[in-house]
Amino acid sequence: SQKIEQNSEALNIQEGKTATLTCNYTNYSPAYLQWYRQDPGRGPVFLLLIRENEKEKRKERLKVTFDTTLKQSLFHITASQPADSATYLCALVVGGGYNKLIFGAGTRLAVHP
Amino acid sequence: GAVVSQHPSRVICKSGTSVKIECRSLDFQATTMFWYRQFPKQSLMLMATSNEGSKATYEQGVEKDKFLINHASLTLSTLTVTSAHPEDSSFYICSAIGQAAETQYFGPGTRLLVL
Repeated sequence: SQKIEQNSEALNIQEGKTATLTCNYTNYSPAYLQWYRQDPGRGPVFLLLIRENEKEKRKERLKVTFDTTLKQSLFHITASQPADSATYLCALVVGGGYNKLIFGAGTRLAVHP
Repeated sequence: GAVVSQHPSRVICKSGTSVKIECRSLDFQATTMFWYRQFPKQSLMLMATSNEGSKATYEQGVEKDKFLINHASLTLSTLTVTSAHPEDSSFYICSAIGQAAETQYFGPGTRLLVL
């Protein structure tokens, strides 16, 4: 069956450390993968997109890797801050004409001062 | 840029009534809009995809007669939950994408509570 798995347990880290979140998928061949941030009671906010032929993408303190052999994406936040506390969702674009997104359940990140 | 709004942000209604939720792209033309539903601590589940001027495409298991979608213009899509029941209570989120764009931009969501 097709699955997208993200750590269901919350990730607690100390301010200033690097947070690493994992997204694994099975039985999909995504054209690309996206990461979103979602705060409680709000819609997701787009962070980064990485294509299947890209290994790594960076944006300010964020870094995403995409390994299509392992079927895994890692999302890193360096020098984390309490304001980074949120739920982070990975989403696969599974093709078709409408850029259909399939979301993981998300991992909640808590950055403590 | 790429701002999507939803209205209302929160609605409480009685069982059996219909509720309309609006989704607007404020600063771009949305060729395609998507409607999602999210239950607590769960992922966003795609309900349907709509293109301006054509009928929506519903995901498997989503009743098209219950969740009516109208994408009347390039900046507005509406979702009407007909004859709402308590099990329809959820967080409804829309997103929009422009022509040839790769990224969906999401609205802030609408919390629906059916009593």
